[in-house]
Amino acid sequence: DVKVTQSSRYLVKRTGEKVFLECVQDMDHENMFWYRQDPGLGLRLIYFSYDVKMKEKGDIPEGYSVSREKKERFSLILESASTNQTSMYLCASIDRLGSPLHFGNGTRLTVT
Amino acid sequence: SQQGEEDPQALSIQEGENATMNCSYKTSINNLQWYRQNSGRGLVHLILIRSNEREKHSGRLRVTLDTSKKSSSLLITASRAADTASYFCATDAWTSGTYKYIFGTGTRLKVLA
Repeated sequence: DVKVTQSSRYLVKRTGEKVFLECVQDMDHENMFWYRQDPGLGLRLIYFSYDVKMKEKGDIPEGYSVSREKKERFSLILESASTNQTSMYLCASIDRLGSPLHFGNGTRLTVT
Repeated sequence: SQQGEEDPQALSIQEGENATMNCSYKTSINNLQWYRQNSGRGLVHLILIRSNEREKHSGRLRVTLDTSKKSSSLLITASRAADTASYFCATDAWTSGTYKYIFGTGTRLKVLA
């Protein structure tokens, strides 16, 4: 079974801090995604990556950046956290386009 | 942008009853997928239906797809309390040169024992 691991289940950070959310998958998947989930808005795509060192902006990339230095790891970076980035963050991976997404358990981030 | 919209937003039924959730989308798709999310957890894939398929079954799940109406439905038969969760549809396709998975806002299902 594919395992997607997000490093933290809960995080509390202060406004202005730089925040790193880490995601690791163990199945050599090419494609990785970061979504945020908010009540009433569903899942919205922040960034995705089709390969190492490759990244593409999703629908809501403002205030975020990503890093994919190794195939198994995809990091989401909040350069200067703001309260409107309080949310549930979900990482996912797939081996090829069109396959079902494999999700991690999510990181619930609170910015105060 | 949200492509999939689920209906209803929330559904409460008795154990043993069937639950039906609907999803509408706006553009052409390759596949439509249904996912389940238990409270505070990640999403788990349930079933995938391709754009050239009309119906698919998996255990107590039945999915239909009507591409002419750009809609899908998920039926859970003989529901159990353990089916209580949120259910999301997601479409995947090439969109403006990028392959995207786009999720709807979800249906919250509560099954009462």
